[in-house]
Amino acid sequence: DVKVTQSSRYLVKRTGEKVFLECVQDMDHENMFWYRQDPGLGLRLIYFSYDVKMKEKGDIPEGYSVSREKKERFSLILESASTNQTSMYLCASSSPAGVPSYEQYFGPGTRLTVT
Amino acid sequence: GENVEQHPSTLSVQEGDSAVIKCTYSDSASNYFPWYKQELGKGPQLIIDIRSNVGEKKDQRIAVTLNKTAKHFSLHITETQPEDSAVYFCAASKGGSYIPTFGRGTSLIVHP
Repeated sequence: DVKVTQSSRYLVKRTGEKVFLECVQDMDHENMFWYRQDPGLGLRLIYFSYDVKMKEKGDIPEGYSVSREKKERFSLILESASTNQTSMYLCASSSPAGVPSYEQYFGPGTRLTVT
Repeated sequence: GENVEQHPSTLSVQEGDSAVIKCTYSDSASNYFPWYKQELGKGPQLIIDIRSNVGEKKDQRIAVTLNKTAKHFSLHITETQPEDSAVYFCAASKGGSYIPTFGRGTSLIVHP
């Protein structure tokens, strides 16, 4: 079974803090994604990565950056957290090496509160 | 870019009834349409998907239909059970793209 884990289930940070959200997948997936989920807005793509050290902006990248130094790990960074970044953050991965696949596997999510 | 509209946002049914969730998409080049189920406290999980060369697909109590002409696809759940209560997301993506566009989600509540 594919497993996607996220470093924290709940996180409370103060405005202006630098925040790191980490995601690890154990199935050698090529693609990794960060989404934020807000009530009534569905899943919105922040950033994605096709390969190590490679990243592409999604629909709402402002205020975020990402890092993928190893294939299995994809980190989301909030450089200076703001209250409007309070949300549920979901990591996902897809596509085993050499096996194109569109199914996304999601982690359990990190509920971030910025006060 | 692609735009996916999903309705209704909330659906309440009695156990044993059928439930239907509808989605429309805007980009005629989209050819892969997955449905994800998100249970409370968990991430979304793929439950069924359909490709544009197929009009209907079934898996036990769930089925998905696709109308390419109308750019419309639907999820049908028959004989609903309380464990079907969850948020359901539809999505659409184009061939060669691993980036789906998601609908806003439907909260399905099945009353015992």
